[in-house]
Amino acid sequence: AQSVTQLDSHVSVSEGTPVLLRCNYSSSYSPSLFWYVQHPNKGLQLLLKYTSAATLVKGINGFEAEFKKSETSFHLTKPSAHMSDAAEYFCVVQGAQKLVFGQGTRLTINP
Amino acid sequence: NAGVTQTPKFQVLKTGQSMTLQCAQDMNHEYMSWYRQDPGMGLRLIHYSVGAGITDQGEVPNGYNVSRSTTEDFPLRLLSAAPSQTSVYFCASSYVQTNTEAFFGQGTRLTVV
Repeated sequence: AQSVTQLDSHVSVSEGTPVLLRCNYSSSYSPSLFWYVQHPNKGLQLLLKYTSAATLVKGINGFEAEFKKSETSFHLTKPSAHMSDAAEYFCVVQGAQKLVFGQGTRLTINP
Repeated sequence: NAGVTQTPKFQVLKTGQSMTLQCAQDMNHEYMSWYRQDPGMGLRLIHYSVGAGITDQGEVPNGYNVSRSTTEDFPLRLLSAAPSQTSVYFCASSYVQTNTEAFFGQGTRLTVV
């Protein structure tokens, strides 16, 4: 069975500093992995997805994630945080006919 | 582009009442699903459908019914609401193939008192 663990429930950074949101996954086969973002009182929006074509995946708004099979990780990063990045972020693995969500990481940006 | 449309956005129910959450998509997606979002638990799958006339249970199906009579619509029914069903509900749609993007509605915030 597929599962994901987001290692931090809350991350707080200052504007202009790097962002790191950590995700470990478990999958019995080559996984399909995603990061989704949810802004307050909004639906979820796809940030990026791992397609197995490249281990470093670039997404929208300057975010990227690196797939590391040896570490079973898919951490999300951004070089410089912006106030508009404040949101909840979900790491997701695709299971049999369903998406399996991590618990979410709330990102706070300090001015 | 309407995408995935959920109605209503907010609802307050009394224990024991019934209601239907509506979900419609205009992208001709075969796959539709309902999730509930609770603090610290991410999104959990309630029911899903891979096409008209086909539905199946997800992780937390108890207390909920679904049907899929058309490709576009996937309503979620609460037959007898309970306080434990207080949550935010999201409908999503996608193509059936793996590694495809899921599109989410704006959510329905349901409170059962």
